[in-house]
Amino acid sequence: EAGVVQSPRYKIIEKKQPVAFWCNPISGHNTLYWYLQNLGQGPELLIRYENEEAVDDSQLPKDRFSAERLKGVDSTLKIQPAELGDSAVYLCASSLRQGSSGELFFGEGSRLTVL
Amino acid sequence: QKEVEQNSGPLSVPEGAIASLNCTYSDRGSQSFFWYRQYSGKSPELIMFIYSNGDKEDGRFTAQLNKASQYVSLLIRDSQPSDSATYLCAVNPTTDSWGKLQFGAGTQVVVTP
Repeated sequence: EAGVVQSPRYKIIEKKQPVAFWCNPISGHNTLYWYLQNLGQGPELLIRYENEEAVDDSQLPKDRFSAERLKGVDSTLKIQPAELGDSAVYLCASSLRQGSSGELFFGEGSRLTVL
Repeated sequence: QKEVEQNSGPLSVPEGAIASLNCTYSDRGSQSFFWYRQYSGKSPELIMFIYSNGDKEDGRFTAQLNKASQYVSLLIRDSQPSDSATYLCAVNPTTDSWGKLQFGAGTQVVVTP
């Protein structure tokens, strides 16, 4: 069974440039998450989807971040414009619906460096 | 005050010894608790989850939960060099916010041969 797939694995951009990250969750997983992980810190939730509906985006900086999950499968996270402080690893995770063990399956992450 | 607190480490453990990791949380209504392992440059992977007070064992790992004291711990018996990683404690605050895991900053464990 394929795991959560993310791309790109690494991205280096100049500040004020846009960037987009893509995630394909595990087949059959209705819930998809985007987390932000800074060096030496635990992951922090940015947005959670149930199918195509964003059910929790309270931590997403909506002035520059946007996300979508068309057709309830793949998801894209976009930053425009990027700032120096956005340098971090962006983790996508998926899980079965509410009521399961709650285990999150993480992708390998997209490491962003903003210069 | 962070909602989930862990000692950052590094926790140095001789090979074959027991590694003991602790985690405290602030939300007394928290319902479920998870331990994830993260190797350097890799993504977190679930080791164990625990819902009820007491101990839960899985192989060399034992999770302990004490809701009254608001702490959860992880014991790694017979530590191996392959156990060297950062261990993240995660807490699901309430039953109606399933999936909104709050992670601690992690404890780095170094197992020395």
